[in-house]
Amino acid sequence: DAKTTQPNSMESNEEEPVHLPCNHSTISGTDYIHWYRQLPSQGPEYVIHGLTSNVNNRMASLAIAEDRKSSTLILHRATLRDAAVYYCILREKIKAAGNKLTFGGGTRVLVKP
Amino acid sequence: EAGVAQSPRYKIIEKRQSVAFWCNPISGHATLYWYQQILGQGPKLLIQFQNNGVVDDSQLPKDRFSAERLKGVDSTLKIQPAKLEDSAVYLCASKGLGSNQPQHFGDGTRLSIL
Repeated sequence: DAKTTQPNSMESNEEEPVHLPCNHSTISGTDYIHWYRQLPSQGPEYVIHGLTSNVNNRMASLAIAEDRKSSTLILHRATLRDAAVYYCILREKIKAAGNKLTFGGGTRVLVKP
Repeated sequence: EAGVAQSPRYKIIEKRQSVAFWCNPISGHATLYWYQQILGQGPKLLIQFQNNGVVDDSQLPKDRFSAERLKGVDSTLKIQPAKLEDSAVYLCASKGLGSNQPQHFGDGTRLSIL
């Protein structure tokens, strides 16, 4: 399975940007980079995904290195509601209809008021 | 749209008893997943269905775990008999058509084995 490496935890101040790094040096050309987050006592929630180009949506931005061996999730202005575990995942295709996500340990983000 | 529904929210049983979890995916989602999440770890895929067929059950402990999705909509996951190490949150997720559609997760069933 393709693997990702993330820091165990990060702290941020409210209303400041948060940059969450992810290393995926064994990524293959067809692997998409997905980010999910998990708030306390909830199931994971999709944040963003990308292949090669940087991506933006209402929740976050995803910056992908040119060699695709690393990426960074950017939360532009952290709020207390952004405190969660953030997972960087390489999406693998399995068989014809599959879409397998292999979760690692993620990064626990603490937002301080 | 309504999200993925799971029940019960919590379950406490003694070891060697049996337990079942139920999942109702988002309407129209053909792909359904069951994950096990042990405290402090990320979710681990147990089984994936495409409609009522199994796509991947390579990490399902088949001596004690079973799952079905008979009509291609709702799904149940069963453990019989339960062991102490089965204490975890069991998450159900569903996904619409398209390989990069996101998975939508329910809030899970927290299982405690005494």
